[in-house]
Amino acid sequence: DTEVTQTPKHLVMGMTNKKSLKCEQHMGHRAMYWYKQKAKKPPELMFVYSYEKLSINESVPSRFSPECPNSSLLNLHLHALQPEDSALYLCASSNTGTNSLRNTIYFGEGSWLTVV
Amino acid sequence: AQTVTQSQPEMSVQEAETVTLSCTYDTSENNYYLFWYKQPPSRQMILVIRQEAYKQQNATENRFSVNFQKAAKSFSLKISDSQLGDTAMYFCALRRGGSEKLVFGKGTKLTVNP
Repeated sequence: DTEVTQTPKHLVMGMTNKKSLKCEQHMGHRAMYWYKQKAKKPPELMFVYSYEKLSINESVPSRFSPECPNSSLLNLHLHALQPEDSALYLCASSNTGTNSLRNTIYFGEGSWLTVV
Repeated sequence: AQTVTQSQPEMSVQEAETVTLSCTYDTSENNYYLFWYKQPPSRQMILVIRQEAYKQQNATENRFSVNFQKAAKSFSLKISDSQLGDTAMYFCALRRGGSEKLVFGKGTKLTVNP
C-alpha cells in the first residue's frame, strides 16, 4: 500500500476552471515532488519542494502553481489549462541522505487529469 | 549529465518462466542509486528493487533480483517464476546521491502470458 495519497483520483476540468490536486504523506519525508506522465512515457519532473521550499521548477508554465503548506502536504493549483495538459499527475516523496532508503522516491497512485 | 537506457520497448514471457529486462546507464558520479519501478495498468508507480552503487552484492527481493555490473554500467532486472500480476511497464531509474532528481529510462512493457 502506498503511503503517499493523492486526491482526487480523476478530475475533468474546463479550460477556464480553477482546480487543485492534493497530496499527503506521513513518512516524515522532507522532499516532495510533482511529476507529469503522458501515456507510454516515463514521468517528467515538474517541481520539487525540499524542507517546504521550492527547490526545483523545471520551467513549468505558470498555469501550474505548486504549494507546500507543511511538510506533509503538497498541492498543485491548476488554472487555464490546455487540452495537452491532460495527463497522469504523480506526487512523490523522499528523504535525502547517504543510504538507499533515504534516496528512494515513493510515488502516490496519481491523479488522472482531463482538460476539455 | 546522467542518462538511463532501456533498449527493449516490449517483452513477453510465459507464466512461471524467467525473464530479464536490460538497463544501461551513464554517470560520472561515484555515489548513486539505481532503482527498478513497476507501473501496472492501474498506473501506480511501485518500487520493485533498489541498489546502492557502492555495494557489490546484487540486490534481491523475493522473485526479483538484479545483475549490477558497475564497470559496464549495467543494471538488469531478473524476474523469476513470472506471474500474471507482473504484467506492467518497468522503468529503470538512477538517482545521484543527495540529488533531488530521478532519471528514468523510457521503460519496457512486459506482458506475462498464461
